[in-house]
Amino acid sequence: QVQLQESGPGLVKPSQTLSLTCTVSGGSISSGSYCWSWIRQPAGKGLEWIGRIYTSGKTEYNPSLKSRVTISLDTSKNQFSLMLNSVTAADTAVYYCARDEASVLRYFDYWGQGTLVAVSS
Amino acid sequence: DIVMTQTPLSSPVTLGQPASISCRSSQSLVDSDGNTYLSWFQQRPGQPPRLLIYKISNRFSGVPDRFSGSGAGTDFTLKISRVEAEDVGVYYCMQATQFPRTFGQGTKVEIK
Repeated sequence: QVQLQESGPGLVKPSQTLSLTCTVSGGSISSGSYCWSWIRQPAGKGLEWIGRIYTSGKTEYNPSLKSRVTISLDTSKNQFSLMLNSVTAADTAVYYCARDEASVLRYFDYWGQGTLVAVSS
Repeated sequence: DIVMTQTPLSSPVTLGQPASISCRSSQSLVDSDGNTYLSWFQQRPGQPPRLLIYKISNRFSGVPDRFSGSGAGTDFTLKISRVEAEDVGVYYCMQATQFPRTFGQGTKVEIK
């Protein structure tokens, strides 16, 4: 069974860069037809898709965040990462990583438990 | 972006009774390939979302058959035939027909 686990600082100062890593276990991040996404959820609010990375290294980002987001892949560690720069309080949220079937079925089938990142000085 | 609107926002239900959640999209979700990419997720308190239904009506692996999805075009429904205590949580619809994927605002299912 595929499992995902987010890790990274829980507190980031305004204007700085948020950096998170998702470690995948129970399967190779490079195998199959899946790609890998980040999704966030501000406290008490709904879900926002941030972006995804394919095993080829191709990335796709939500236009609302595109100018500030970078997603990368480290197949040797079975990890993918999120960087969000110039953060403000509006970026305070629980950040989830998820496996993304982006072609035939188009769903997120496995999710990490999520990690809360607060943006505050 | 396609806007997904769910109703109601809150649904108090008696145990053993049915529950129904509506999801409406601002544009048709029928893709050029003829498929409709509408999914439903359940989020129990303190947990990540869990995939229940994909492509309108297909139950994901391990999802009880009391959950069913239906609809077409811009109007979709998630039904729980007999609500159990473990069904308490927030339910989200999500469209994946148009980039970027977008979610509804969520419907909270709680026990009366």
